[in-house]
Amino acid sequence: DAMVIQNPRYQVTQFGKPVTLSCSQTLNHNVMYWYQQKSSQAPKLLFHYYDKDFNNEADTPDNFQSRRPNTSFCFLDIRSPGLGDAAMYLCATSLRDSPTREQYFGPGTRLTVT
Amino acid sequence: RKEVEQDPGPFNVPEGATVAFNCTYSNSASQSFFWYRQDCRKEPKLLMSVYSSGNEDGRFTAQLNRASQYISLLIRDSKLSDSATYLCVVKWENRDDKIIFGKGTRLHILP
Repeated sequence: DAMVIQNPRYQVTQFGKPVTLSCSQTLNHNVMYWYQQKSSQAPKLLFHYYDKDFNNEADTPDNFQSRRPNTSFCFLDIRSPGLGDAAMYLCATSLRDSPTREQYFGPGTRLTVT
Repeated sequence: RKEVEQDPGPFNVPEGATVAFNCTYSNSASQSFFWYRQDCRKEPKLLMSVYSSGNEDGRFTAQLNRASQYISLLIRDSKLSDSATYLCVVKWENRDDKIIFGKGTRLHILP
């Protein structure tokens, strides 16, 4: 089935140790998003790609970077995780010119920082 | 005014009752609207898109009021399995692919 896949589902990293989260999709969608969601809060958009065009949200810390080497894959790099970066990280995709314009979410990666 | 606002709840509703939530948005240029459902520790899943004329899917009815800048979700004959957080989502067409989530409304259906 076409879907959005995130790996790993659970990630534990040490304070300050770089970590990479991955997202892949078989939907052939041209837009991919990364969200951070903390407990009882709304998903917070970090950045998104429209094809290879990168769009960073103004309040996304520099500690967060992203790469999209091809249509199917997108990575979230956290260069020096702090305790405050512990959260669920959600990847989503959408088709920009779709009449429905809906987003499809992956299952998320839950990041723990020790 | 926040971009997308929802009553966080929780709404505690007996099984079989009807419940409605509203969501207000600040940007009149918003063009696409959605309700997502999120279960505890799971990803958001699309419940329904919201169309200008209003739309219904089984026990769920969504409506859009552009003049007052709000959308609503009505759940009839509520089931225990409807217990979740309901996220209002607004897409701004004048900010390419910008999607704003509300903080969600928690719903507990009581047996």
